[in-house]
Amino acid sequence: GDSVTQMEGPVTLSEEAFLTINCTYTATGYPSLFWYVQYPGEGLQLLLKATKADDKGSNKGFEATYRKETTSFHLEKGSVQVSDSAVYFCTSTSGTYKYIFGTGTRLKVLA
Amino acid sequence: DGGITQSPKYLFRKEGQNVTLSCEQNLNHDAMYWYRQDPGQGLRLIYYSQIVNDFQKGDIAEGYSVSREKKESFPLTVTSAQKNPTAFYLCASIGIRSGANVLTFGAGSRLTVL
Repeated sequence: GDSVTQMEGPVTLSEEAFLTINCTYTATGYPSLFWYVQYPGEGLQLLLKATKADDKGSNKGFEATYRKETTSFHLEKGSVQVSDSAVYFCTSTSGTYKYIFGTGTRLKVLA
Repeated sequence: DGGITQSPKYLFRKEGQNVTLSCEQNLNHDAMYWYRQDPGQGLRLIYYSQIVNDFQKGDIAEGYSVSREKKESFPLTVTSAQKNPTAFYLCASIGIRSGANVLTFGAGSRLTVL
C-alpha cells in the first residue's frame, strides 16, 4: 500500500542554520504531496503542497520539490528561526480521500 | 472566519465511561475525518465521512463510533470498548466539490483516562 517515510527526529539546529527534513513516498499512482506543521498543543496547518512531478511548493521560506524519479519531497529552509520549532509531517494523497502521514519530525531551533 | 471547532480541548474520563468529542465546521466542506495522534507517531485514521448519513471505518475504528446527521457536524464517541483511549484527537475536513485536496484541521481534543 501507499506509505510515507520521513527522517526521525528530533532535529536540533541553531538559529540561521540550514534545514533539511527528508521525506520519501511509495504510491501506485501520482499522489499529491504536502508538508504540514504542528505547533505545541495545536492542530496541523498546511505549510506547502505540490500536485505533480517537478512542482515546487513554497511558503514562509520553506521549499520542497516533488521528485518523481527519487519519489521524494524533502523540506528545506535556508535560515531557520526559533519560531520554526514545531513538528513537521510529510503527507500524501492519491485522490481517494485517504491521506497517508509520516510519523512527524520534531524540529527544535536554539537561539 | 471559517474553520473547524473542536470541543472540549481537554477531557478526562474514568474507565468504563463513554465520551463524545465534538467537531463542527463552517467551511461548507463535504468530507470530514477523525484522526488519533499518539506521541512519536503519525496520524491514524479512525473514521471518515464523505457525505451526510454515510461514513466509513478507518484503520483503527474499533472502540469508536461516529454519526453524520448534518454536513457541519461529525461527533466522535470514544466508547468503553476502546482499551487505550488516552490520546490527542484531531478532526479535519475537505471540500470535495471544490476540487481542492487540502485537509483543514481543528485545534484538537486531548483525552486522558484516569
